[in-house]
Amino acid sequence: EKVLTQFPGTLSLSPGERATFSCRASQSVSGSFLAWYQQKPGQAPTLLMSEASIRASGIPDRFSGSTSGSSSGTEFTLTISRVEPEDFAVYFCQEYGSSPLFAFGQGTKLEI
Amino acid sequence: QVHLQESGPGVVKASETLSLTCAVSGESIGFGYYWGWVRQSPGKGLEWIVAMYHSGDTYYNPSLESRVTMSVDTSRNEFSLKLTSVTAADTALYFCARRCPSGNCFDFWGQGTLVSVSS
Repeated sequence: EKVLTQFPGTLSLSPGERATFSCRASQSVSGSFLAWYQQKPGQAPTLLMSEASIRASGIPDRFSGSTSGSSSGTEFTLTISRVEPEDFAVYFCQEYGSSPLFAFGQGTKLEI
Repeated sequence: QVHLQESGPGVVKASETLSLTCAVSGESIGFGYYWGWVRQSPGKGLEWIVAMYHSGDTYYNPSLESRVTMSVDTSRNEFSLKLTSVTAADTALYFCARRCPSGNCFDFWGQGTLVSVSS
């Protein structure tokens, strides 16, 4: 079973700073099959990014996604160029395609 | 805009069957997407359970497959989850969601419903 590891567990930043979230897979993952979500307390996850770097509808362009290494590299990055107050939340990566079909990382909390 | 709303009992007794329904508005579930269930617990984080097409094509999380049944009712525009033989480990916030058109994510989610398993 593929395992997705997110780091750091908690990211402490101030508004205006740059946030970088990492997601590492235990096995090779195609960039086409990696998504990112934001979850605020008491709410469902919101899709931010699909296929590693495609912003979902309505997601501001301060959010960006990238893959390091080869196109089937195992480390993915979500970046918020300048953190806004509404961005403080938990961020999850999710991989598609192995067993189970959808697998989530454990999340990174962005706190003030 | 697609809207999903879960409903079902908040407490289920251990060894019994958990039953949840997801009502969909803003989209016909027979149109051409997969629909599914994801749960979230402090111990296991986010865990995908099942995804199903209106035609009946279904994908299961292997760890839950033996206990899970999902059904789609296009006439009521809703779909349902049944999880049998529940234990305390099944206590979680259960979300229904629509699978992305690309197939590799979930783009619309319900607000979630908390289910606790009591002894």
